[in-house]
Amino acid sequence: GNSVTQMEGPVTLSEEAFLTINCTYTATGYPSLFWYVQYPGEGLQLLLKATKADDKGSNKGFEATYRKETTSFHLEKGSVQVSDSAVYFCAFISNFGNEKLTFGTGTRLTIIP
Amino acid sequence: EPEVTQTPSHQVTQMGQEVILRCVPISNHLYFYWYRQILGQKVEFLVSFYNNEISEKSEIFDDQFSVERPDGSNFTLKIRSTKLEDSAMYFCASGVGTDNQPQHFGDGTRLSIL
Repeated sequence: GNSVTQMEGPVTLSEEAFLTINCTYTATGYPSLFWYVQYPGEGLQLLLKATKADDKGSNKGFEATYRKETTSFHLEKGSVQVSDSAVYFCAFISNFGNEKLTFGTGTRLTIIP
Repeated sequence: EPEVTQTPSHQVTQMGQEVILRCVPISNHLYFYWYRQILGQKVEFLVSFYNNEISEKSEIFDDQFSVERPDGSNFTLKIRSTKLEDSAMYFCASGVGTDNQPQHFGDGTRLSIL
C-alpha cells in the first residue's frame, strides 16, 4: 500500500552544517510530494513541494528534487541554522481526487550553535 | 495570510465522555480534513470532507467518530465515547482540492483522555 519511509531521527547537527533527510515513497499513480515542518509547539507548515518528476521544490534554503526513478524526495540544506530545529515530515498525495496526505514518521532535527 | 484555527488548544476529558474538537478552515477552501498524531508517532489521516459529506475515511475513523460542518464556517470532529487510545494531537486541515495546492493545517488540539 501507499507509504513513506523517512530517515529515523533524531538528527543533531552543528550550525552551518550540511543537512540531508532521506525520504522514499511507495504510491500508485503520480504523486505530488511535500515536506512539512513542525516547529516546537506549533502546527504543520508546508515547507516545499514538487508535483511532477524532476521538479525541484525550494524554500528558506531547503531543497528537494522529485526523483521518480528512485521514488525519492530527499530534503537538503547547505548550511543549517539554530532556527531550523524542528520536526520534518515527508508526505504525498497519491493523485488528483484522492487528496489525503500520507505522512512519514517525521525526523526531529536539532541544530546546536 | 489566512489561517486554519482550532479550538481548544488542549482538551482534557474523562474516558467515556464525548468530546468535540472545533476548526475554522480557510474561507474559500472546499476540502476539509482531520488528521491525528499520537505522541511520538506519525501523522495519520482520519477523514476528508467535501460538499457536506465524507469523501474518504481511514480505518481509524470508526463509528465513534463523526464530522460536521454545521454552519458553513466551522468544521467539527466529535468522538462519542472517548478511549484512552484516543489521546493524541488532532490536526484540522483545509485545501482547494488540487494536488499542486497543498493543504493548510491548524496548530492542533491536544486531546488527553484520563
